[in-house]
Amino acid sequence: GQQVMQIPQYQHVQEGEDFTTYCNSSTTLSNIQWYKQRPGGHPVFLIQLVKSGEVKKQKRLTFQFGEAKKNSSLHITATQTTDVGTYFCAANAGGTSYGKLTFGQGTILTVHP
Amino acid sequence: EAGVVQSPRYKIIEKKQPVAFWCNPISGHNTLYWYRQNLGQGPELLIRYENEEAVDDSQLPKDRFSAERLKGVDSTLKIQPAELGDSAVYLCASSPPKGVPYEQYFGPGTRLTVT
Repeated sequence: GQQVMQIPQYQHVQEGEDFTTYCNSSTTLSNIQWYKQRPGGHPVFLIQLVKSGEVKKQKRLTFQFGEAKKNSSLHITATQTTDVGTYFCAANAGGTSYGKLTFGQGTILTVHP
Repeated sequence: EAGVVQSPRYKIIEKKQPVAFWCNPISGHNTLYWYRQNLGQGPELLIRYENEEAVDDSQLPKDRFSAERLKGVDSTLKIQPAELGDSAVYLCASSPPKGVPYEQYFGPGTRLTVT
């Protein structure tokens, strides 16, 4: 079945440093979504990427979808303490599985002030 | 707009006991999902409903888990009997019929502890 690997599992940064998490799929994807889960909270939708090579920005966050639509990344510039949480990618394989999201294990981001 | 509502928020039961979780999705959201999230892992889909039809229940352990969404609005997930390995957070999510395809709005979850 669909497998989604996300690295790193943990990332500790000083406030102001950059952060990147990577997501890799074993199969070509229809689209990929990113979610953020604050400690003790629930996942919150950030963005969806659909097109090959797509790049989207939300303030300090930059999301990329690979040319082969099998990998994606989330980059945060100049982290802040409010960025703390777990970032999940969620892959949609499409076809008969369209609508089913397979979540990565997440990257736990800690930001030290 | 009210978010996805789940109850109870916490539940502690002994193994072999039954337990039920309730979810009320955002008004107008026709797609409803139940996920299980183990500590340190991403959510894992258990079942997905389009209105009242279960369109994907391939990962629902049917020997002990059941779910229903009788009127296409709120939903109940049941475990009977519970096992120690069922301890997890059970998340309900819903998606609107329009907008970002299958963008999911999650509820706060029910944290289940089986002792």
